[in-house]
Amino acid sequence: AQTVTQSQPEMSVQEAETVTLSCTYDTSESNYYLFWYKQPPSRQMILVIRQEAYKQQNATENRFSVNFQKAAKSFSLKISDSQLGDTAMYFCAFMKHDAGGTSYGKLTFGQGTILTVHP
Amino acid sequence: NAGVTQTPKFQVLKTGQSMTLQCAQDMNHNSMYWYRQDPGMGLRLIYYSASEGTTDKGEVPNGYNVSRLNKREFSLRLESAAPSQTSVYFCASSHLMGMVRETQYFGPGTRLLVL
Repeated sequence: AQTVTQSQPEMSVQEAETVTLSCTYDTSESNYYLFWYKQPPSRQMILVIRQEAYKQQNATENRFSVNFQKAAKSFSLKISDSQLGDTAMYFCAFMKHDAGGTSYGKLTFGQGTILTVHP
Repeated sequence: NAGVTQTPKFQVLKTGQSMTLQCAQDMNHNSMYWYRQDPGMGLRLIYYSASEGTTDKGEVPNGYNVSRLNKREFSLRLESAAPSQTSVYFCASSHLMGMVRETQYFGPGTRLLVL
């Protein structure tokens, strides 16, 4: 079984600054995907970014980027130029797949980090 | 497209009562999921339906049943609610469970309080 750990229950940042959210995971699997989801006060889970573990290049999506360290089993999320709308709970998640890339469809989530962006 | 919709948004039950949480998606997705979210914990998978006509247990299925009514709809039933089932419930869908580069899309959640 795999576990996902987010060690920062809460974080805060000033608008326009950069913040990094941490995530570590433990697995014996070789093939997997990693995700960051955002959950604003509306409660809807929104996919922020996804990383395929077999790719060495870190994923980026506009102001969001990851630092993926496979050997250390670390997957942090960097938010640049933070905006008030980034205030939300952020979840790190893990999904294993087979050697051909076919996933098993089951997400394992971390506990979440509440991020507050201050004006 | 509305995406994934859930009803109700909020419900209060007494211990022993039953209820059904409804979920529908309009993205023509084949796979659907039910999760629960408890304070201090990540989402945990209750049941899933890889395709229409199939359902399987997830990590925490006890006390729940599901029905994949058709391709669009996937309901979660609590036959005899218990206070331990107080939680926020999320429905999700994806194009096809197991597909390469699969992404799950989540609904807004149903907050359930069992007294």
